[in-house]
Amino acid sequence: AQTVTQSQPEMSVQEAETVTLSCTYDTSESDYYLFWYKQPPSRQMILVIRQEAYKQQNATENRFSVNFQKAAKSFSLKISDSQLGDAAMYFCAYSSYLNNAGNMLTFGGGTRLMVKP
Amino acid sequence: DTGVSQDPRHKITKRGQNVTFRCDPISEHNRLYWYRQTLGQGPEFLTYFQNEAQLEKSRLLSDRFSAERPKGSFSTLEIQRTEQGDSAMYLCASSLQGNSPLHFGNGTRLTVT
Repeated sequence: AQTVTQSQPEMSVQEAETVTLSCTYDTSESDYYLFWYKQPPSRQMILVIRQEAYKQQNATENRFSVNFQKAAKSFSLKISDSQLGDAAMYFCAYSSYLNNAGNMLTFGGGTRLMVKP
Repeated sequence: DTGVSQDPRHKITKRGQNVTFRCDPISEHNRLYWYRQTLGQGPEFLTYFQNEAQLEKSRLLSDRFSAERPKGSFSTLEIQRTEQGDSAMYLCASSLQGNSPLHFGNGTRLTVT
């Protein structure tokens, strides 16, 4: 079974600065997807960024980028130019590449990000 | 696109009672997922449907839990004989076929007293 570990329960960053959230995972599969989801307080979870394991290039979405280290099974999220609206719980998640796996995600325990004005 | 809708938003029930939650996915999405999230934890997968077929069930889904999606549109999740350990946020999500991005609803928060 796959496991996802987020070792930082809480992180804080000054507005406009850069922060990196860590995630490690364990799997015996060679093809899979990795995700970062954002869950603002009392609001729905939204997808921040997705990485396909077969792609060597790190995914980027505007101010959000990942550092995907397949051999080390590490998948960190970098948020540049942090904004107050980035404050939320961030979850790292794993999904198998198998046809029926779809979005049966395994989530980490989350990292609460606080942004200081 | 009105998003994924869940009803009710909050449910308080006494131990031993049955509860039912409803999820309306985005209309063109044929996959629908249920997750459970306890306080301070990440969501855990419970089950998913492709159209009306329930394709996967987690071992977390005990015999007291049942989910349906009778016409391939909305879905219901029923918990029979609720226990205090069932207190959690129940999240519904939908997607198109395959590994298309998931769209989550706001969840139903269940409190069992």
